[in-house]
Amino acid sequence: QSALTQPASVSGSPGQSITISCTGTNSDVGSYDFVSWYQQHPGKAPKLLIYGDTKRPSGVSNRFSGSKSGNTASLTISGLQAEDEGYYYCCSYAGISTWVFGGGTKLTVL
Amino acid sequence: QVQLVESGGAVVQPGRSLRLSCAASTFTFSSHGMHWVRQAPGKGLEWVAFIWYDGSNKFYAASVKGRFTISRDNSNNTVYLQMNSLRAEDTAVYYCAREDGSGWHYFDSWGQGTLVTVSS
Repeated sequence: QSALTQPASVSGSPGQSITISCTGTNSDVGSYDFVSWYQQHPGKAPKLLIYGDTKRPSGVSNRFSGSKSGNTASLTISGLQAEDEGYYYCCSYAGISTWVFGGGTKLTVL
Repeated sequence: QVQLVESGGAVVQPGRSLRLSCAASTFTFSSHGMHWVRQAPGKGLEWVAFIWYDGSNKFYAASVKGRFTISRDNSNNTVYLQMNSLRAEDTAVYYCAREDGSGWHYFDSWGQGTLVTVSS
């Protein structure tokens, strides 16, 4: 199972919006509505942001939103804030109780 | 607040074995599947293994299949990862994570991780 493809880095200024893409295949992202997104700050455990492609858990800011089209999922962060700086990972269920992560994207808030 | 606390990380020589533990609390452990996810230094996340809520089924990434074994003890609220024939490329922080339990196949809580270093 190959890792999902994410851009290595993205950047934006405070208040702007950015989008991180996550491209998989017909065997994972394109086959299931089970893409999730995680935020990770250096030295910390990942934190869930989005599940089920578009669903936001309670307690997660509505500045974070997810979408999907075909084999590509996306995470959009609106109204960028300094504390959003960190790493973002997508993950897709890949069938038969297996999962695959993206390579991760480093977000820099300028 | 879900609590997951990993332990057992160490420096080990290639070819040796190590067992990691993850102690769970503040939720009904026996109702949730559990995962191990690892992160090599400076690298991304990699899913490693998953065990059903009752331990009846176990699944592994290709990179560890045949070498690692996931198990659980629901009476002690603990999930384990037995790692045999360790290789340098197994060096990573190992996280345990809880399966959501609602059928949406995501990791809703994570431990703080335990570091495994495979080196001679």
